[in-house]
Amino acid sequence: GQNIDQPTEMTATEGAIVQINCTYQTSGFNGLFWYQQHAGEAPTFLSYNVLDGLEEKGRFSSFLSRSKGYSYLLLKELQMKDSASYLCAVRDREGGATNKLIFGTGTLLAVQP
Amino acid sequence: EAGVAQSPRYKIIEKRQSVAFWCNPISGHATLYWYQQILGQGPKLLIQFQNNGVVDDSQLPKDRFSAERLKGVDSTLKIQPAKLEDSAVYLCASSLHGTVLGYTFGSGTRLTVV
Repeated sequence: GQNIDQPTEMTATEGAIVQINCTYQTSGFNGLFWYQQHAGEAPTFLSYNVLDGLEEKGRFSSFLSRSKGYSYLLLKELQMKDSASYLCAVRDREGGATNKLIFGTGTLLAVQP
Repeated sequence: EAGVAQSPRYKIIEKRQSVAFWCNPISGHATLYWYQQILGQGPKLLIQFQNNGVVDDSQLPKDRFSAERLKGVDSTLKIQPAKLEDSAVYLCASSLHGTVLGYTFGSGTRLTVV
């Protein structure tokens, strides 16, 4: 089976750095994604990791350790517009279906002035 | 390129009524997904199509939900009869097979069952 865990809520201050953790258990791991979802909107792609290490993209970075089943999303120089839900999703090949994304419940980040 | 189109944007129905949602994926995207997202939760996969064939419908409540993708392009998801717990956002997504960019989601249909 599959299991993805991430904190339900986090609060951070504008201009600061925040790290959102995600742990997962899956039998057919084929990559990990982070999506951003503002209230009432569709999820939008942020990052993708399939090999161990850090992927940096502007203010956002994502890290993966496959041996530990662990990832984090790092947001730097926080802005008010970063207030959103951040979804960790694992691409799973279980059952032979490729490209299926299994989502965590999301972490609701509130950025305060 | 045009995004994933979904309609309607919002729908309110009474329990035991029927409802249908429509999705038109990005042109050329062979894989289409329907997800259900209940408020405060992450999206849950209901069904995955590859062209016009079903790849995975293991979490689709088949006693009341049905979906089709005739001609391998647009798709409809139907609920009949609806229950209160079906209140959620129904997200359609599409992808090129094997893409590393995951999915492109549509804006979703927000269903309220009263």
